[in-house]
Amino acid sequence: AQRVTQPEKLLSVFKGAPVELKCNYSYSGSPELFWYVQYSRQRLQLLLRHISRESIKGFTADLNKGETSFHLKKPFAQEEDSAMYYCALSGTSYGKLTFGQGTILTVHP
Amino acid sequence: SQTIHQWPATLVQPVGSPLSLECTVEGTSNPNLYWYRQAAGRGLQLLFYSVGIGQISSEVPQNLSASRPQDRQFILSSKKLLLSDSGFYLCAVLLRENTEAFFGQGTRLTVV
Repeated sequence: AQRVTQPEKLLSVFKGAPVELKCNYSYSGSPELFWYVQYSRQRLQLLLRHISRESIKGFTADLNKGETSFHLKKPFAQEEDSAMYYCALSGTSYGKLTFGQGTILTVHP
Repeated sequence: SQTIHQWPATLVQPVGSPLSLECTVEGTSNPNLYWYRQAAGRGLQLLFYSVGIGQISSEVPQNLSASRPQDRQFILSSKKLLLSDSGFYLCAVLLRENTEAFFGQGTRLTVV
């Protein structure tokens, strides 16, 4: 069975500090991993996916198959980064997503 | 581009009452459609998905059912709500040519 774990329910940092949101997964095959974000009063939306290998809004995430992790990082957090972040895995057919529990990030001024 | 309409935004229903949540999609055809739920203190859990009209797959045993009467319409229903059905329900669409899921605004259901 596939599983996604986000160990931190809440994460608080100050503006300009580095931030790392942790995500570990369990899947026997080759997963496709995503980070979705929900800003206040907005829809859940894709932030980035591992196959793109791109930086979005300063965030990056590297898939580490050895550690089965896909941590989300940003070197200098901004107040507008405050949101709910979900790590998600798509390993089976039909595009079904398995989500982690989510991490609420708060960036203080 | 695709647009997802999900309503109502909030709903308070008594135990034992029926439920019908609707999701419609614009700007695409033949998408995969999904219903997710977030219960208190838990992550998003997939409830149902559909790859075509009339085709419904259930991921978890539950008190709910889903239907897809039209290509771009996905309905979540219950004949008799339970307190445990409370939660935040999200409709999502996956375009055939993409792996990115797009979500509706969600429905906050409280069963009292």
